[in-house]
Amino acid sequence: EVQLLESGGGLVQPGGSLRLSCAASGFTFSSYAMAWVRQAPGKGLEWVSSLSSSGGYTYYADSVKGRFTISRDNSKNTLFLHMNTLRAEDTAVYYCAKDKTAGATNPKFDFWGQGSLVRVSS
Amino acid sequence: SYELSQPPSVSVSPGQTASITCSGDSMGDKFACWYQQKPGQSPLLVIYQDNKRPSGIPERFSGSNSGNTATLTISGTQAMDEADYYCQTWDTRTAGVVFGGGTKLTVL
Repeated sequence: EVQLLESGGGLVQPGGSLRLSCAASGFTFSSYAMAWVRQAPGKGLEWVSSLSSSGGYTYYADSVKGRFTISRDNSKNTLFLHMNTLRAEDTAVYYCAKDKTAGATNPKFDFWGQGSLVRVSS
Repeated sequence: SYELSQPPSVSVSPGQTASITCSGDSMGDKFACWYQQKPGQSPLLVIYQDNKRPSGIPERFSGSNSGNTATLTISGTQAMDEADYYCQTWDTRTAGVVFGGGTKLTVL
């Protein structure tokens, strides 16, 4: 059974940093692209970043480019999102999502975690 | 940037057919995915590559994509299908994932 378990969310002040983790199990983690998708309270889905299976290709939404970094540790079946210079508008539930393929382009997110809430507030 | 437009809400009677559209410039030249999200739950992939159903998704869910519009069709809609639905595609020009704004499907 595929499982994606996010952790690391919480309350952070504007300008602060946070690192989200997503522990994966139930599939060959190193064979699939992964992504982070967020959802602000009461709003729709917003893609944040994607990463190919090897970690060699990364993609970012303009809203987080230069502030967020996606990475993975295939030896530990874990996906990360390093978030710097956080803003109030980054407040959202952050979902980890598995792609059906190895490449991060033309994704199809077939499994999602339960989400981790990030609140940016003073 | 590339944008996808969805109607904010769609209503359907139980047993009838619901259609949810997703419009974007030359959307038919791209692949569309559809996700279902019920309150308090994570999104669930219901259609990928325009018209393919993941295992476990009922046959009443189908998809099409041509011209500027992708469409999710739910035949014989059931009360359990009441949810928010999001379309998604990949924009090669910006190298990014794009989601539609979402459509709230009400079964009444």
